[in-house]
Amino acid sequence: GAVVSQHPSRVICKSGTSVKIECRSLDFQATTMFWYRQFPKKSLMLMATSNEGSKATYEQGVEKDKFLINHASLTLSTLTVTSAHPEDSSFYICSGPGLGYNEQFFGPGTRLTVL
Amino acid sequence: AQSVTQLDSQVPVFEEAPVELRCNYSSSVSVYLFWYVQYPNQGLQLLLKYLSGSTLVESINGFEAEFNKSQTSFHLRKPSVHISDTAEYFCAVSHSGAGGTSYGKLTFGQGTILTVHP
Repeated sequence: GAVVSQHPSRVICKSGTSVKIECRSLDFQATTMFWYRQFPKKSLMLMATSNEGSKATYEQGVEKDKFLINHASLTLSTLTVTSAHPEDSSFYICSGPGLGYNEQFFGPGTRLTVL
Repeated sequence: AQSVTQLDSQVPVFEEAPVELRCNYSSSVSVYLFWYVQYPNQGLQLLLKYLSGSTLVESINGFEAEFNKSQTSFHLRKPSVHISDTAEYFCAVSHSGAGGTSYGKLTFGQGTILTVHP
């Protein structure tokens, strides 16, 4: 299957700072990528759809000004958590679709801890 | 709108015993169905998927799942589990139609933690 990487894998930051998470598709081009958030012992919740060349589409209840998404190229999408607070601590996972959008390839995830 | 329910949050089982992880879904449109596995502190890996055709799908490591449209279920089974199967398993659905804002998005169940004891 296709490979998706995320960087960093783990980040600890102070409350009030901003953190950028990168998601790269290593062997395929993706005009669309998805960002998910996974709470401890809970399922993944889709946060937003990242669109290359246009604005991201956010799911209901997700603050677009807090979670900035930029799809800079066909292989890179970034999620920036602005003015992070402890409640933003979570596991963030991105994915890219395979051909025909009938499969998603997931990155390894980024564990964010806000102190 | 779609929803996925995994009926068991935790399933403990002894090594070499059979296991079934249950998944039911609700959708007003036709769907693709997936099982993903997540090992501790790792991302999700696709275990198997149903897109069309035969309702019984298999993975390379002995898992199988059967799509039952009348019961809107996609239960995951393995006849004999190993210690290495210990992980969290997620059932997911996506809209199978082309185009639209929901295309490619996955809706996940709550996850089932499978723990295989020696």
